[in-house]
Parts: sequence; structure tokens; C-alpha cells
Amino acid sequence: GDSVTQMEGPVTLSEEAFLTINCTYTATGYPSLFWYVQYPGEGLQLLLKATKADDKGSNKGFEATYRKETTSFHLEKGSVQVSDSAVYFCALNYGGSQGNLIFGKGTKLSVKP
Amino acid sequence: GAVVSQHPSWVICKSGTSVKIECRSLDFQATTMFWYRQFPKQSLMLMATSNEGSKATYEQGVEKDKFLINHASLTLSTLTVTSAHPEDSSFYICSATPGLAGPDTQYFGPGTRLTVL
Repeated sequence: GDSVTQMEGPVTLSEEAFLTINCTYTATGYPSLFWYVQYPGEGLQLLLKATKADDKGSNKGFEATYRKETTSFHLEKGSVQVSDSAVYFCALNYGGSQGNLIFGKGTKLSVKP
Repeated sequence: GAVVSQHPSWVICKSGTSVKIECRSLDFQATTMFWYRQFPKQSLMLMATSNEGSKATYEQGVEKDKFLINHASLTLSTLTVTSAHPEDSSFYICSATPGLAGPDTQYFGPGTRLTVL
């Protein structure tokens, strides 16, 4: 079945460091891909998405490109801040269906000043 | 933005007892609510989808008699774990959407940590 694999955490970086969180997926069709972020004590929030191959999603300095050839959707940010400390979830979904998000395990990011 | 709350944020109970978890949409009417479960070091897994006023739709492998879901109003859904056992210890997360929409408008609660002794 469909699945999402993301890199094990936790990831600890210094402020202004470059961030990459790897995400690969297995899908029988052509899903939409998402990154969600969960800040401490809060619910998951949609960070960015891409709905088709070669699309780039971006938000708050984060970017991810839908790579069909490598079945990947890696999350990147050029310069992280302490406020980026959170848990990041990669997910896929087949457009049009309610919910039915398939999540990765989550990667905890800690950014030190 | 839209806010979804869960209560309690954590609960500890004895084996064999039942536990109710509430999920509320605070500033919008949620026609659909979802319940997820996350075991340690595992992915969030969808348990069930509920539409206001109708029976929940459970994912394969989820016991509907054990995990009772009630979505009696447009702002409240409850998940009751009946006769809880230690293997039910998990992180339960709800989400809500104001319409028949995709994940762009799915708003998540902060989760409830259940520990069954």
C-alpha cells in the first residue's frame, strides 16, 4: 500500500543553519504531497503542499519539490530560526478524497541559539 | 485561523475502564471530523471519519465497538475508548474540516495522550 518514509529524528541545528528533512513516498497513483508542522502544544498545521510532479511548495522560507523520478518531497530551509523548532510531518493524499492523509512518522527539529 | 481543541490533553486510566476524549471546533462548524492515532515512533494513522449526525466510518482494522465516536453537533465530536487496555495507550489526534474539502482545510487538535495502566 501507499506509505511515507521520512528521516529519523531528532534533528538538532544551530540558528541560521541549512535544514533538510528527507521524505520519500510509495504510491500506486499520483498523490498530492504535504508537509505539516506541529509546534509544541499545538495541532498540526499545513506548512506547504504540491499537487503534481515538479511543483514546488513554499511557505515561511521552507520549500519542497515534488520529484516523481525519485519519489521524494524533501523539506528545505536555508536558514533556520529557534522558532522553527517543531515536529515536521510529511504526508500524501489523493486529491478530492476527504482526509485520508497518509503520514510519515514525524521528525523533531530543535534549533539552538 | 481555525482552532480545534481537545480535552483532556492527557489522561491516565486503569485497565478495563472507559475514557472519553472531546474534540471541539472553536470558531467554525465542522461537518466532518477525523480521528487519528499515533503510537510511539510510528506514523499518524486514520482511525475513523465522522460526519455530523451520521455514523462514523472506521478504517480497516479499527474496532468500532471499542472506539465509539459520536459527532452529535457541528462543533463537537467525542471518541470513547471502551474497556481500555495497555495496548490502547497512544496519542489520539482529531481534526476537523468545515466542508467536503481536502486536507488544505483540515484543522488539527493538539492531541490527547492516553496511558492505560
